[in-house]
Amino acid sequence: KNQVEQSPQSLIILEGKNCTLQCNYTVSPFSNLRWYKQDTGRGPVSLTIMTFSENTKSNGRYTATLDADTKQSSLHITASQLSDSASYICVVSANNAGNMLTFGGGTRLMVKP
Amino acid sequence: DTAVSQTPKYLVTQMGNDKSIKCEQNLGHDTMYWYKQDSKKFLKIMFSYNNKELIINETVPNRFSPKSPDKAHLNLHINSLELGDSAVYFCASSQDWGRAYGYTFGSGTRLTVV
Repeated sequence: KNQVEQSPQSLIILEGKNCTLQCNYTVSPFSNLRWYKQDTGRGPVSLTIMTFSENTKSNGRYTATLDADTKQSSLHITASQLSDSASYICVVSANNAGNMLTFGGGTRLMVKP
Repeated sequence: DTAVSQTPKYLVTQMGNDKSIKCEQNLGHDTMYWYKQDSKKFLKIMFSYNNKELIINETVPNRFSPKSPDKAHLNLHINSLELGDSAVYFCASSQDWGRAYGYTFGSGTRLTVV
């Protein structure tokens, strides 16, 4: 069964600090992995998409890494801002009909001043 | 210019009622989806329409019926609403069924059944 697990479930950090969110998956056959940011009351917005051959990808202060061998990914946020407070969802796409997406439960990040 | 728009944003209704949620995308995408986000924040796919044809139905109760008048619209009709239907429903679209990119979500419809 395809599964995506994220840790921690929630995280509180001070503004300006860095943090790293983790994602483990068992989706097969693997196609790509995405990180989404979901603000409260809004739909998920894509941050990064990585395929099998990509180890790291950055989008501003967000840097995602992928280890396809261990089936792990991380999202590192540098110099956090109050606007980073949101849920971060790891989504893995299977390389089969429809590129079915499997969603993790998300990490709820709160950045405090 | 909202890419994927859903209406209404909030919906409160009584058990047993029938309600519809509308979704429209102006991205020219061929494929549209409905997802349900439960209380634990997991997003689960319900339906997918590719060029007006249903291609995925993930064991959703037949009280839920998607309707796609054209490839820019995918509405969700729910009959005989139950308390367990309370959730946030997200519409999404992608370039086509086979592509990994272009997934865009709407802002969600929070359904509360009382």
